[in-house]
Amino acid sequence: QVQLQESGPGLVKPSETLSLTCTVSGGSLSSYYWSWIRQPAGKGLEWIGRIYISGSTNYNPSLKSRVTMSVDTSKNQFSLKLRSVTAADTAVYHCARARRGQWLVLPFDSWGQGTLVTVSS
Amino acid sequence: DIQMTQSPSTLSASIGDRVTITCRASQSISSWLAWYQQKPGQAPKLLISKASTLESGVPSRFSGSGSETEFTLTISSLQPDDFATYFCQQYNRLYTFGQGTKLEIK
Repeated sequence: QVQLQESGPGLVKPSETLSLTCTVSGGSLSSYYWSWIRQPAGKGLEWIGRIYISGSTNYNPSLKSRVTMSVDTSKNQFSLKLRSVTAADTAVYHCARARRGQWLVLPFDSWGQGTLVTVSS
Repeated sequence: DIQMTQSPSTLSASIGDRVTITCRASQSISSWLAWYQQKPGQAPKLLISKASTLESGVPSRFSGSGSETEFTLTISSLQPDDFATYFCQQYNRLYTFGQGTKLEIK
């Protein structure tokens, strides 16, 4: 059974870049789309973006100007960089997996437990 | 962008009750809607996809319906394990989540 594990600094200073990595074990990156989703404490879920093994990406329009995602097939990992962070970017960040359906990309069938990132000086 | 509006934001109910949560899309998403259950400190769990297709292992007391812009999640007889927060999600165009419904014990 596939497992996803987020890793990265738990504290980032305002205006700096948040960097997270998701390590996938028990399965391959192939044939799936890999996403980042965040959740501020006590609030709802916000999709950040997704990447395919080819490197093709789609981002949430509201975050697109600050987000870059990448994939490292040799390590079975994919990563998130969010630039120019503010306190509003404080949240639990999850990575998740979705399959390609016949017509479009499906919902998330596997998630990481999430990692809390706090933006503070 | 497609906006998803969920109601109610909080729902108080008792064991054995039948409850319904509603999700509305700002434009038609056909049947490309999913429902998730999230418990405190855990990742969301996919319950239903394509508006009404139950995922493997999800109890049959959960059901989903709707199409285009109006969708519902129904739990036919609440069990103790069902008290959680529920989110809808459209995947017709990228992804958008509803703001969530917290199901509390009355």
